[in-house]
Amino acid sequence: AQKVTQAQTEISVVEKEDVTLDCVYETRDTTYYLFWYKQPPSGELVFLIRRNSFDEQNEISGRYSWNFQKSTSSFNFTITASQVEDSAVYFCALSEARGNYGQNFVFGPGTRLSVLP
Amino acid sequence: GAGVSQSPRYKVAKRGQDVALRCDPISGHVSLFWYQQALGQGPEFLTYFQNEAQLDKSGLPSDRFFAERPEGSVSTLKIQRTQQEDSAVYLCASSWRTSGSMAEQFFGPGTRLTVL
Repeated sequence: AQKVTQAQTEISVVEKEDVTLDCVYETRDTTYYLFWYKQPPSGELVFLIRRNSFDEQNEISGRYSWNFQKSTSSFNFTITASQVEDSAVYFCALSEARGNYGQNFVFGPGTRLSVLP
Repeated sequence: GAGVSQSPRYKVAKRGQDVALRCDPISGHVSLFWYQQALGQGPEFLTYFQNEAQLDKSGLPSDRFFAERPEGSVSTLKIQRTQQEDSAVYLCASSWRTSGSMAEQFFGPGTRLTVL
């Protein structure tokens, strides 16, 4: 069965610090997708990144970077030089490829990040 | 352009009442998802539509929950005989992708349902 673990419930950092949010997943499928979403205080989840199981290249987008390691079943997210507006709950999610049928998305419990000025 | 909209934003129901929650996806989006999010937790998948076809309803918690998308656009999630444990935020998301499993989803603001 699928499972996503985000062991860090809450993290507080001071502005400009770097912070890494951990995500560990479990799946029996060889083809799957991993996602990160941000849920700011306003409530709407915002898509950040998708990674498929065959692409282990790390990705950088501005101050955001993602480290995907199949060997440890992890897909960690790092924010460099954090800003107050990065404060939000961040969710890691996993879906298994089932063609056009079903999608069985599983979200982790989320990590609440507070960036203090 | 307009994003995903949901109505009502807040709904208070007495236990035993039926409720209907509406989702207007982004125009042209093929895939539509419903989730239930309890306080302090991640969203939990309820059901998935590709156009008007409900391809996956494995997450619906009981037969009191019913979803439809008759014309492949607007979707309605109906909960019959609401119970207190149904209190949660109900999220709708849509995607242009036809493959649900790889879809990056655009979420609506949610409907917060409180059952008294």
